[in-house]
Amino acid sequence: AQKVTQAQTEISVVEKEDVTLDCVYETRDTTYYLFWYKQPPSGELVFLIRRNSFDEQNEISGRYSWNFQKSTSSFNFTITASQVVDSAVYFCALIVGAGSYQLTFGKGTKLSVIP
Amino acid sequence: EAGVAQSPRYKIIEKRQSVAFWCNPISGHATLYWYQQILGQGPKLLIQFQNNGVVDDSQLPKDRFSAERLKGVDSTLKIQPAKLEDSAVYLCASSSLSTALIDTQYFGPGTRLTVL
Repeated sequence: AQKVTQAQTEISVVEKEDVTLDCVYETRDTTYYLFWYKQPPSGELVFLIRRNSFDEQNEISGRYSWNFQKSTSSFNFTITASQVVDSAVYFCALIVGAGSYQLTFGKGTKLSVIP
Repeated sequence: EAGVAQSPRYKIIEKRQSVAFWCNPISGHATLYWYQQILGQGPKLLIQFQNNGVVDDSQLPKDRFSAERLKGVDSTLKIQPAKLEDSAVYLCASSSLSTALIDTQYFGPGTRLTVL
């Protein structure tokens, strides 16, 4: 069975600091997809990024960057120069296999950015 | 493009009462999902529809939960009778899933249910 672990329950940073959110996944399948979602206080899950297991390229989107390392089964998320609007709960999630569409979520990391 | 719509946003009921939630997916999305998110946890899939057929309902407590998507568009999730442990946020998501590809799931704002 697959599993996603987000060991950091809560993180607080001061505005403009960089912060990295950790995600470790477990699966025996060679085909899988990794996701990050943001859940602001309003409650809606906002899609941030998707990666498949065959693409280990890291990605940068503005202040956001993602580091995918199959060797350590990790898919970490870094926010550079954090802002108050980044305060939210961030979820890492996994879909395993070509025929399954169920997202398995981690427990989330609550990020608080202090002005 | 309009996102996933859900109503109501909040609902408070007493245990043993019934409740229903409604979801309208993104236009053209064939696949619809209902998730339950208990406070402090990640969402857990309850049921997945493709068009109006059920693909996966293995984690749906069928003795009290039911869901339908009669015309392959809107969906309703019902709880009857509700228990205290059903207090959670119920999230609806949709994706333009084909049978061969994994597509991204887009979520609605959720319905926060409190059972007293």
